[in-house]
Amino acid sequence: GENVEQHPSTLSVQEGDSAVIKCTYSDSASNYFPWYKQELGKRPQLIIDIRSNVGEKKDQRIAVTLNKTAKHFSLHITETQPEDSAVYFCAAMGGGGNKLTFGTGTQLKVEL
Amino acid sequence: GAVVSQHPSRVICKSGTSVKIECRSLDFQATTMFWYRQFPKQSLMLMATSNEGSKATYEQGVEKDKFLINHASLTLSTLTVTSAHPEDSSFYICSWQAGGYNEQFFGPGTRLTVL
Repeated sequence: GENVEQHPSTLSVQEGDSAVIKCTYSDSASNYFPWYKQELGKRPQLIIDIRSNVGEKKDQRIAVTLNKTAKHFSLHITETQPEDSAVYFCAAMGGGGNKLTFGTGTQLKVEL
Repeated sequence: GAVVSQHPSRVICKSGTSVKIECRSLDFQATTMFWYRQFPKQSLMLMATSNEGSKATYEQGVEKDKFLINHASLTLSTLTVTSAHPEDSSFYICSWQAGGYNEQFFGPGTRLTVL
């Protein structure tokens, strides 16, 4: 089955700096890669996603890049704000089905 | 759009009792839904995939006789944790798969504490 690794597990940045979270996946048939933000005790919230036919996608301060050859994808947050502090999860949907496999999560802390 | 509810949001029960969690899609219908659990400071782990009218497919290591899934309609699925024990204490989250791109829409989660 699919295996998704995520790094780093914790990330502290100063307000206004950029944050980058990286994930790798194992199943070359995976074709959908969403990123979720989860605040304590809340549901995962989709913040951006990318499909395998696209290399990069941007939505205001958030961007995701996908390298299919290397089987890795990254989340980029620019001009970080304190409200960006949360746990971020990457996920991959395998080509053989519709199941999402989640990464282990990154605790992002944006300090004033 | 794509609103999912879960009930209850929080439940505390005694060891050995059973707990039922409801997951509803409020403004859309979907055939496929998923149940996840999330232990503190860990990721979401898929427990089972359920298609309306069919038996659920459980992930390896998840006991189907302990975690009963009833998915009788396109808008309602229930997860019953039978004979709950303290190690079943977790955050249980459902999601429905909908839309042309197979996006998943998550419920707000149910915090289960087994004493």
